[in-house]
Amino acid sequence: EAGVTQSPTHLIKTRGQQATLRCSPISGHTSVYWYQQALGLGLQFLLWYDEGEERNRGNFPPRFSGRQFPNYSSELNVNALELEDSALYLCASRRGYSTDTQYFGPGTRLTVL
Amino acid sequence: AQSVAQPEDQVNVAEGNPLTVKCTYSVSGNPYLFWYVQYPNRGLQFLLKYITGDNLVKGSYGFEAEFNKSQTSFHLKKPSALVSDSALYFCAVRRSNYQLIWGAGTKLIIKP
Repeated sequence: EAGVTQSPTHLIKTRGQQATLRCSPISGHTSVYWYQQALGLGLQFLLWYDEGEERNRGNFPPRFSGRQFPNYSSELNVNALELEDSALYLCASRRGYSTDTQYFGPGTRLTVL
Repeated sequence: AQSVAQPEDQVNVAEGNPLTVKCTYSVSGNPYLFWYVQYPNRGLQFLLKYITGDNLVKGSYGFEAEFNKSQTSFHLKKPSALVSDSALYFCAVRRSNYQLIWGAGTKLIIKP
């Protein structure tokens, strides 16, 4: 069974640009979570999608947005990039409400110059 | 308020010695508890979880965790540490809305 995949592995942008990060969940998983992990820090919850709907979002400005497609893959968009957006962005997927375990992808390292 | 605490930023253990990484939680109702490990520049890997049943949960790579309801703790343990166990460890508890609350992480350093 293939794990959660994320692309690209690394992304370098300049301040003010937009970044798009992609995530493909494990087959059969309908929920996708996005987290931000700044260097040396813990996980900050960004967004949760399930069955194509945004279920919850963390304490981040509206320039962080995303969507979930009919095949349950997901996209995270970050507009008007700021230097402090530089971080590892992690995607996790979960099968459904009866199974709580989130499985993580390898992450996308976003660097904003 | 629901929360998870990992009281130690870093734990140092000699190779071959037992290790413990501490986690305490505060949540209403029955807790669903998780441990994950993160190696440098990698995503998180699921180690083990407690949902119900036996208080001692066995997981991947020889790790186990002990659920203690009276002390609201879920400490991660391993009888004999390996240098390759050096990593960042995260404890998490499930909220009522199916999201996870994460601890700040504990850096485990195993010295040869």
